[in-house]
Amino acid sequence: AQSVTQLDSHVSVSEGTPVLLRCNYSSSYSPSLFWYVQHPNKGLQLLLKYTSAATLVKGINGFEAEFKKSETSFHLTKPSAHMSDAAEYFCVVTLSGGYQKVTFGIGTKLQVIP
Amino acid sequence: GAVVSQHPSWVICKSGTSVKIECRSLDFQATTMFWYRQFPKQSLMLMATSNEGSKATYEQGVEKDKFLINHASLTLSTLTVTSAHPEDSSFYICSASFGQETQYFGPGTRLLVL
Repeated sequence: AQSVTQLDSHVSVSEGTPVLLRCNYSSSYSPSLFWYVQHPNKGLQLLLKYTSAATLVKGINGFEAEFKKSETSFHLTKPSAHMSDAAEYFCVVTLSGGYQKVTFGIGTKLQVIP
Repeated sequence: GAVVSQHPSWVICKSGTSVKIECRSLDFQATTMFWYRQFPKQSLMLMATSNEGSKATYEQGVEKDKFLINHASLTLSTLTVTSAHPEDSSFYICSASFGQETQYFGPGTRLLVL
């Protein structure tokens, strides 16, 4: 069994300040972890992914995430928020075998205040 | 690269009619396609997973006869909502992958059943 917990449903930051979106997971095996961003009425865009290579993963638009196995976490960070970062962010766990098991977090809405 | 399209982007239909939504991978061959449903301000709910040439695997609680999925080729999957009712109104999103777990998402189709 696997699960994903996004600890904050809503995060509000000022423009130019750091962003931290938290994600914890549980999985019986070694999963792959992803962060996706969704702007209003749009599909999802891949920000970054972890697939058992380097634990610090750099993604697009200045985002990065660190896989910490001991803490079962995969938090998403960005040093300086931009207005265009305001969106919904989803943490996703995928376990592959003969059948891909995909689990989405509930999402974190990021608000950026000017 | 890795672009996924959906058609139509918007559809309004009368109760009792059937609606077909297409999902295409434009620049890669998708071995697996996924169909999701998203309610307002909620996360994505996986409906089914389909591999080219084989029957779709439906998630628990999703009616197979209600939501018909066909994955006829490596670049096209279709979701048909049969005998649609107002409660089927939702945002339907497809994604495609080519064996590396990363999913590339379409822009979504908003269905409104009157």
